[in-house]
Amino acid sequence: GDSVTQMEGPVTLSEEAFLTINCTYTATGYPSLFWYVQYPGEGLQLLLKATKADDKGSNKGFEATYRKETTSFHLEKGSVQVSDSAVYFCALTPQNTGNQFYFGTGTSLTVIP
Amino acid sequence: GAVVSQHPSWVICKSGTSVKIECRSLDFQATTMFWYRQFPKQSLMLMATSNEGSKATYEQGVEKDKFLINHASLTLSTLTVTSAHPEDSSFYICSADPTGEGSYNSPLHFGNGTRLTVT
Repeated sequence: GDSVTQMEGPVTLSEEAFLTINCTYTATGYPSLFWYVQYPGEGLQLLLKATKADDKGSNKGFEATYRKETTSFHLEKGSVQVSDSAVYFCALTPQNTGNQFYFGTGTSLTVIP
Repeated sequence: GAVVSQHPSWVICKSGTSVKIECRSLDFQATTMFWYRQFPKQSLMLMATSNEGSKATYEQGVEKDKFLINHASLTLSTLTVTSAHPEDSSFYICSADPTGEGSYNSPLHFGNGTRLTVT
């Protein structure tokens, strides 16, 4: 069945370091891919999305490119800030199945000054 | 932006009692809402799709008689955990599609979740 696998955390980085959180997926056809972020004490918020192959989603300095050939949607940011400390979830919705989301296990990121 | 409000944010109950969790869309109408469950260090698992004015659709393995879902209006869905047991202790999260399109590239907006602890 459809699924998402993301790198396990926790991840601890110094401020201004480069961030990569790996995400790969299993799905037929062309699913839509998402990154959600959960800040401490808050609900999940959409960070970015990509709906077709080679699309790049971007928001708040974060980027992820939909790679069909490697079935990946890795999240990157060139220079993290303390305020980026949160849990990041990769997710997909299978093609033509409505809003049925499948989530990865989440990766906790802590950025230290 | 579209806001989904979930209440309560945490609840402790005794084994055998029932607990109701509310999910409201504050500034949009949602014909469909989704209920997820999250165990520690695990991903969110879809439990059921709540449909306004009709029966909820449950995922395989989810007991519909234990997790009662009522979507009585376009802005409110409730999840009732009946005869709760310690193994029901978990983090429950609701979500909705503010676009109303229900398409596979429409993002969901999530509530802040409810931490249920059954003693």
